[in-house]
Amino acid sequence: EAGVVQSPRYKIIEKKQPVAFWCNPISGHNTLYWYLQNLGQGPELLIRYENEEAVDDSQLPKDRFSAERLKGVDSTLKIQPAELGDSAVYLCASSLGSGNHNEQFFGPGTRLTVL
Amino acid sequence: AQTVTQSQPEMSVQEAETVTLSCTYDTSESDYYLFWYKQPPSRQMILVIRQEAYKQQNATENRFSVNFQKAAKSFSLKISDSQLGDAAMYFCAYRISYGGATNKLIFGTGTLLAVQP
Repeated sequence: EAGVVQSPRYKIIEKKQPVAFWCNPISGHNTLYWYLQNLGQGPELLIRYENEEAVDDSQLPKDRFSAERLKGVDSTLKIQPAELGDSAVYLCASSLGSGNHNEQFFGPGTRLTVL
Repeated sequence: AQTVTQSQPEMSVQEAETVTLSCTYDTSESDYYLFWYKQPPSRQMILVIRQEAYKQQNATENRFSVNFQKAAKSFSLKISDSQLGDAAMYFCAYRISYGGATNKLIFGTGTLLAVQP
């Protein structure tokens, strides 16, 4: 069974440019998470989806970040415009649900470099 | 607010030896989960072991075991018979046990483990 798929693995852009990251969760997983991982830090949750509904986006900087999961399957995270401080790894994870015993499975992440 | 602290930025162990990684956390909740994740250079986070706070027995998974001290809010990971493939960044994480908007993982800053042949 395929794991969580993310693309691209690496992205280099100039500041003020837009960028988008794509995530395809494990088949049948209703809950999808986007995390931000800065260099030398642990991941921090940006947004969590239950099917197509964003149920926790309190940590998402809404002035420049947006996310969607229109059909409740794959998801896209966008930054527009990107800033130097956005250079980080963006991780996607999924789980069957958000209940107690549902393990989160992580993708390999997208490493973003903003020049 | 819940916080997770890993005070060892880097650790080193000889192959076949045992190493212990430290983690402390702060919470006012009584029911929660604690996790250790491994992140190799490929960046893919892999769950190593999980502990439920209401269980007194320490969790074990093959060569990996934890020492969970609830009163002290301490959750250390012991890796026995270390192997070269154990080299990675290890993250301690916390999660409240009930669902809803607060159901999220809170990670520490990680410990980079090197395994010497």
